[in-house]
Amino acid sequence: GNSVTQMEGPVTLSEEAFLTINCTYTATGYPSLFWYVQYPGEGLQLLLKATKADDKGSNKGFEATYRKETTSFHLEKGSVQVSDSAVYFCALSLMEYGNKLVFGAGTILRVKS
Amino acid sequence: NAGVMQNPRHLVRRRGQEARLRCSPMKGHSHVYWYRQLPEEGLKFMVYLQKENIIDESGMPKERFSAEFPKEGPSILRIQQVVRGDSAAYFCASSPRGGQNTEAFFGQGTRLTVV
Repeated sequence: GNSVTQMEGPVTLSEEAFLTINCTYTATGYPSLFWYVQYPGEGLQLLLKATKADDKGSNKGFEATYRKETTSFHLEKGSVQVSDSAVYFCALSLMEYGNKLVFGAGTILRVKS
Repeated sequence: NAGVMQNPRHLVRRRGQEARLRCSPMKGHSHVYWYRQLPEEGLKFMVYLQKENIIDESGMPKERFSAEFPKEGPSILRIQQVVRGDSAAYFCASSPRGGQNTEAFFGQGTRLTVV
């Protein structure tokens, strides 16, 4: 089947620390990969995406590279800020399923000043 | 251009009542998706609709749940005879077309509490 596995949280970091949130996937086809962010009390916002192997998605200092050989799409940021505190979801979609997204369980990130 | 609008933001229902959740997609978007987020879990796909058509309802529970997206007006997710296990956040997303790489825009969700 199709699934996404994320590292468990919460992840607690000090401001300006380096962030990695691991994400791996299994898919029956060739997926597109996404990271969404959910701030407290809000809906999900697309953070970045990658549609083919070796693509790097980037936005707001966050990056993730589509690694087909390791079926991974790890999220990284070189220097986190308190305002990055949120829940981060890794997700995939497959052509045969239209725009339907399969989400990981989410990783809570807490950044302390 | 307003984003995806969901209402109400919070809904409290007693066991056995009906819950109606509304979603107005972004202007020009004819594809709507409903997801459910149980406490401390990720979002799970429920149903995918285009105007007047259900495209994929593979994530919908077989009983008590239904969804529609009429030609005019918002998409409605209806839950009949609610039970405590229905308590969750329900998110709607819309996109201008289908397709694997088309960005879906999410609403702020409706948080349903069944007491």
